[in-house]
Amino acid sequence: GAVVSQHPSWVICKSGTSVKIECRSLDFQATTMFWYRQFPKQSLMLMATSNEGSKATYEQGVEKDKFLINHASLTLSTLTVTSAHPEDSSFYICSAPQTGPAGPSYGYTFGSGTRLTVV
Amino acid sequence: AQSVAQPEDQVNVAEGNPLTVKCTYSVSGNPYLFWYVQYPNRGLQFLLKYITGDNLVKGSYGFEAEFNKSQTSFHLKKPSALVSDSALYFCAVRDMRGNNRLAFGKGNQVVVIP
Repeated sequence: GAVVSQHPSWVICKSGTSVKIECRSLDFQATTMFWYRQFPKQSLMLMATSNEGSKATYEQGVEKDKFLINHASLTLSTLTVTSAHPEDSSFYICSAPQTGPAGPSYGYTFGSGTRLTVV
Repeated sequence: AQSVAQPEDQVNVAEGNPLTVKCTYSVSGNPYLFWYVQYPNRGLQFLLKYITGDNLVKGSYGFEAEFNKSQTSFHLKKPSALVSDSALYFCAVRDMRGNNRLAFGKGNQVVVIP
């Protein structure tokens, strides 16, 4: 089945540094990638939607310059947290809509998530 | 806007008893509904979805859900809960506003007591 590989699984960084999170679609082409943020035992909040070859669409309240999203190919989307601060510590998850042989299958594949801790 | 609501925070159930996790939806048009499960520090695992067809949907790990249009509900059920079913459960609806994102409920923590 469709797989999205997300790396790293966890990362600890110093305040002020930048961290890049990668999501790769392994056996399908992901023209769209959704990026979510999740606080402990809470729901997933959509941060932005990336589309291959075009600018990402950010949700209201999400800082574009802090959370840089790039979707340069049909199999790779990246989220870079720039100048990270402790309040950026969270669980970040990517997700791509699935497409079957006959078109959209209306399913979604999720990455395994990245636990970011900023110290 | 498309949305789902999960009214409970935590569901406690004894091992072997039936498990129900509630979800109601609010959509314009036909709803595309999903259930996912999440274990600590892991991504979401797909359980089942309703797109069209039979109102009773059977999914992974013995779970099923019933789509009820009159009550706008899509409750998740399992006849006999296992301790390993303890996890966070999310109901979600496909939002047709342009990019087909998933809109999630707040999640329910399920605790299965041995």
